[in-house]
Amino acid sequence: DQQVKQNSPSLSVQEGRISILNCDYTNSMFDYFLWYKKYPAEGPTFLISISSIKDKNEDGRFTVFLNKSAKHLSLHIVPSQPGDSAVYFCAADVSGNTPLVFGKGTRLSVIA
Amino acid sequence: AAGVIQSPRHLIKEKRETATLKCYPIPRHDTVYWYQQGPGQDPQFLISFYEKMQSDKGSIPDRFSAQQFSDYHSELNMSSLELGDSALYFCASSLKTSGHNEQFFGPGTRLTVL
Repeated sequence: DQQVKQNSPSLSVQEGRISILNCDYTNSMFDYFLWYKKYPAEGPTFLISISSIKDKNEDGRFTVFLNKSAKHLSLHIVPSQPGDSAVYFCAADVSGNTPLVFGKGTRLSVIA
Repeated sequence: AAGVIQSPRHLIKEKRETATLKCYPIPRHDTVYWYQQGPGQDPQFLISFYEKMQSDKGSIPDRFSAQQFSDYHSELNMSSLELGDSALYFCASSLKTSGHNEQFFGPGTRLTVL
């Protein structure tokens, strides 16, 4: 049973526009959420995280929003750049102290 | 800044052979995780070590074992290899005492079993 779900396997966005990647989770014990970006033949790279005590965290062009009641989080990238084209994984854990549980990833393509 | 180092980057083995994957965590990180990622799949947690002791165990087959050494590097030993073991194997490290779990991943070892 997939505890972290990324229901969109792929997303295409025009350069300069906003990219919104979505993630849902089922385990109410999760209280820490992370987004990773992965290029082919490389390991996942940590992007941004959010604790369940917050509903928003921003870092430059990247903002993560958390809606605990809906068990939903999203990653906003604005403006999108061609270099953002990669697979984005949503991940979650409990108390920052357990192995990460990953979603299946969303492949983002930013078109120039 | 130093990152997680994994070796080898690529490994080709035949069925029933053994393989050893190595991971060198970021200096001063106290926790090492191993993940397996099959084609088109998400990374699946195998096993982790905190301060050289096994801390969590995931979907690691009995044919696999791992350990963390005194210098904090870790090795994943895989025996009786099967075709289905072909995958990317990632090691990640984190500083658990920081209270957060930003895991930093290595570049991975691509294992191909023929």
